[in-house]
Amino acid sequence: GAGVSQTPSNKVTEKGKYVELRCDPISGHTALYWYRQSLGQGPEFLIYFQGTGAADDSGLPNDRFFAVRPEGSVSTLKIQRTERGDSAVYLCASSPWGNEQFFGPGTRLTVL
Amino acid sequence: DQQVKQNSPSLSVQEGRISILNCDYTNSMFDYFLWYKKYPAEGPTFLISISSIKDKNEDGRFTVFLNKSAKHLSLHIVPSQPGDSAVYFCAASWRETSGSRLTFGEGTQLTVNP
Repeated sequence: GAGVSQTPSNKVTEKGKYVELRCDPISGHTALYWYRQSLGQGPEFLIYFQGTGAADDSGLPNDRFFAVRPEGSVSTLKIQRTERGDSAVYLCASSPWGNEQFFGPGTRLTVL
Repeated sequence: DQQVKQNSPSLSVQEGRISILNCDYTNSMFDYFLWYKKYPAEGPTFLISISSIKDKNEDGRFTVFLNKSAKHLSLHIVPSQPGDSAVYFCAASWRETSGSRLTFGEGTQLTVNP
């Protein structure tokens, strides 16, 4: 079956711009996670959805970051007023409710 | 604070030999541990996991050992194959909180030489 997909695979933007990153989880998976991976580091937790609601957004670095999952499936991570330090690979994962999370290929964001 | 640490950024082994990847953690609330493998330009792929009530879990060539008193886990790959060359991440979670959000180590680049 289809795995987790993320679009776009690469995004280059200018400092100060707004970006949206999309995640399509595995069908039927109720839990969805966003992580961010900087160069040479492991993924860092950003936010977790159970269904439509953000059950834990404590990993979001500041209020420029926001994520939604309006229908309990697709999720969008939104970053306002991007900064060069936001450059990273943004990973999405889904889970049927358990501990194993299935990751997408990620979106590489570059802020110039 | 880095709650999960992989102190070896890289490891090189010969094909057919054993690969041992190590991971230490500091948060005693963690009760589930996972290993992920990552190839370039791909997302992490789940490899094997272990609950804190066990000290060993085996799946084919992969075995994970957990030493709770030392807050240490290791992944053994026997025999190692060139296709195992990838970055390996150790991850930990506390299942009672936040839907099992994962805390990752920095990763270890494994290279298996033919």
